[in-house]
Amino acid sequence: EAGVVQSPRYKIIEKKQPVAFWCNPISGHNTLYWYLQNLGQGPELLIRYENEEAVDDSQLPKDRFSAERLKGVDSTLKIQPAELGDSAVYLCASSLEVQAGRDNTEAFFGQGTRLTVV
Amino acid sequence: AQSVTQLDSHVSVSEGTPVLLRCNYSSSYSPSLFWYVQHPNKGLQLLLKYTSAATLVKGINGFEAEFKKSETSFHLTKPSAHMSDAAEYFCVVSIIGGSYIPTFGRGTSLIVHP
Repeated sequence: EAGVVQSPRYKIIEKKQPVAFWCNPISGHNTLYWYLQNLGQGPELLIRYENEEAVDDSQLPKDRFSAERLKGVDSTLKIQPAELGDSAVYLCASSLEVQAGRDNTEAFFGQGTRLTVV
Repeated sequence: AQSVTQLDSHVSVSEGTPVLLRCNYSSSYSPSLFWYVQHPNKGLQLLLKYTSAATLVKGINGFEAEFKKSETSFHLTKPSAHMSDAAEYFCVVSIIGGSYIPTFGRGTSLIVHP
């Protein structure tokens, strides 16, 4: 079974340009996450989807970042315009819908997209 | 609110000696706890997870962790380090029954010397 697939793996852009990342979660996983990982730090949540609904986007910088998951499967994360400080690894993860008392809380991660803004 | 603290940014051991990576958590609910490993230029891989069953959890590659509620800890151990264990390790906390958001510690870099 394929895991979480992200593309591209690497992206180099000039500042002020737009960029988009794509994520295909594991089949059947209702929950999708986008994380930001700066060098030497742990991943930080940007946004969480339950199916097509964004249920937690409090950490998403909405002035320049946007995300969508139109059919509740694939998702895209966009930055427009990119800034130098956006250079980081962007991770996508998915999991089954979390239910109380169920042992189904594991999140599966893609390999990430490493963004370099110059 | 929930948070996780990894007490050491770097841990250095010799091959064949024990490994201890420390993690403390805070959570308003009964937590689910995980350890993930990240090798250079690779994705995050789950080592083990605790979800309110046995407090001693065994994972892959000989790693295990013990949930201690009284100490709010979930330390990761391995009896004998291997060179291939050199990587970044993340402790992750989430909750059941509330808003589930996997929250990461800052990571501990494990260095293994020959």
